[in-house]
Amino acid sequence: QQQVKQSPQSLIVQKGGISIINCAYENTAFDYFPWYQQFPGKGPALLIAIRPDVSEKKEGRFTISFNKSAKQFSLHIMDSQPGDSATYFCAARGISSGSARQLTFGSGTQLTVLP
Amino acid sequence: EAQVTQNPRYLITVTGKKLTVTCSQNMNHEYMSWYRQDPGLGLRQIYYSMNVEVTDKGDVPEGYKVSRKEKRNFPLILESPSPNQTSLYFCASKSTGELFFGEGSRLTVL
Repeated sequence: QQQVKQSPQSLIVQKGGISIINCAYENTAFDYFPWYQQFPGKGPALLIAIRPDVSEKKEGRFTISFNKSAKQFSLHIMDSQPGDSATYFCAARGISSGSARQLTFGSGTQLTVLP
Repeated sequence: EAQVTQNPRYLITVTGKKLTVTCSQNMNHEYMSWYRQDPGLGLRQIYYSMNVEVTDKGDVPEGYKVSRKEKRNFPLILESPSPNQTSLYFCASKSTGELFFGEGSRLTVL
């Protein structure tokens, strides 16, 4: 079974600091790597995504770094704010026809940004 | 407003009592899916549907059923719930890339 491993499970950061969440995948049959953000009592929502032909994508304070050779990708949140406190999921989309291009999610990281 | 609507949002039931969690989307998406979220395990796919009358098992389908008779609706059926199905359930839909999630249904099976 294809897997995506996410760390850390929880993260506490001071306001203004950098939050870094890491993910690694176990095979090369993925072609799209999104990050989802989930606030308490809500469903996950797409935050930012990257394709493997680029090494970095930035949207505001959020940056995805992608290392194809190491099969790793990470989310960096610059100038972290209390409003960023949420659970973050990385994911990877399969390319094989048998998986019907399903998303495989990491286990989630609960981020707390202290004021 | 584009949305995925799940009902009920909260439910406490007892072992063996059949229940259905409804899911409806108003975005005309062909693809719909059900996930369960458990601490430390992330989001695991239960079933998905590529279109009307087309459904397929995800990673954890045991104990669940689904149907897709209309494009907008994708109910999740627990024929005989057990305590290990206590979880937070999410329905989702998409057209191409982005997956849109409902707000979740928290189910407790006693």
